[in-house]
Amino acid sequence: AQKITQTQPGMFVQEKEAVTLDCTYDTSDPSYGLFWYKQPSSGEMIFLIYQGSYDQQNATEGRYSLNFQKARKSANLVISASQLGDSAMYFCAMRLHGSSNTGKLIFGQGTTLQVKP
Amino acid sequence: DGGITQSPKYLFRKEGQNVTLSCEQNLNHDAMYWYRQDPGQGLRLIYYSQIVNDFQKGDIAEGYSVSREKKESFPLTVTSAQKNPTAFYLCASTLRGADTNYGYTFGSGTRLTVV
Repeated sequence: AQKITQTQPGMFVQEKEAVTLDCTYDTSDPSYGLFWYKQPSSGEMIFLIYQGSYDQQNATEGRYSLNFQKARKSANLVISASQLGDSAMYFCAMRLHGSSNTGKLIFGQGTTLQVKP
Repeated sequence: DGGITQSPKYLFRKEGQNVTLSCEQNLNHDAMYWYRQDPGQGLRLIYYSQIVNDFQKGDIAEGYSVSREKKESFPLTVTSAQKNPTAFYLCASTLRGADTNYGYTFGSGTRLTVV
């Protein structure tokens, strides 16, 4: 069964420091995509970064990078130089391709990040 | 600009009432999805539709119903059979059959409260 696991319900980080949010996934499908979203208290879902299962390099988008370890089935999000505005809930999600491609996005439970001044 | 519009932003429901949440998109996306989010929790799939006049149950469809009469619209009805409907509801859309790197567009959500 396809599943996303985020084991950190809540995290604290000091402003300007880096933080890693963990994500592990489970699928037997060889083709999949992994997404990270940020959800502030307003509820909107903000796309941060994407990693494809066949991508050779780890994805990066500004202060966000994805530590993709395919053999371990992990896709951890690294936020560098944390800012107060980074305080939010973060979700890891997976989309399958191939015969399983209904386009469903499977979400983890989320991690609440609080940045301290 | 293209996007998804969810309405209303806040909705209050009395016990035993059915209520309908609206989701409209102008992105020409085939596939649309309804998710439920409880406080401090992840998103769970309620229903999804990949083409007009067709939809499938997600993981928590009991007590909900949907329709897809137009490509642009995917309304969700929370029926009286849903025993605990207080939650945040998000609608999303994407291209059907797209590669895994094709993104999703989310609405701004509806907060439903039972009073």
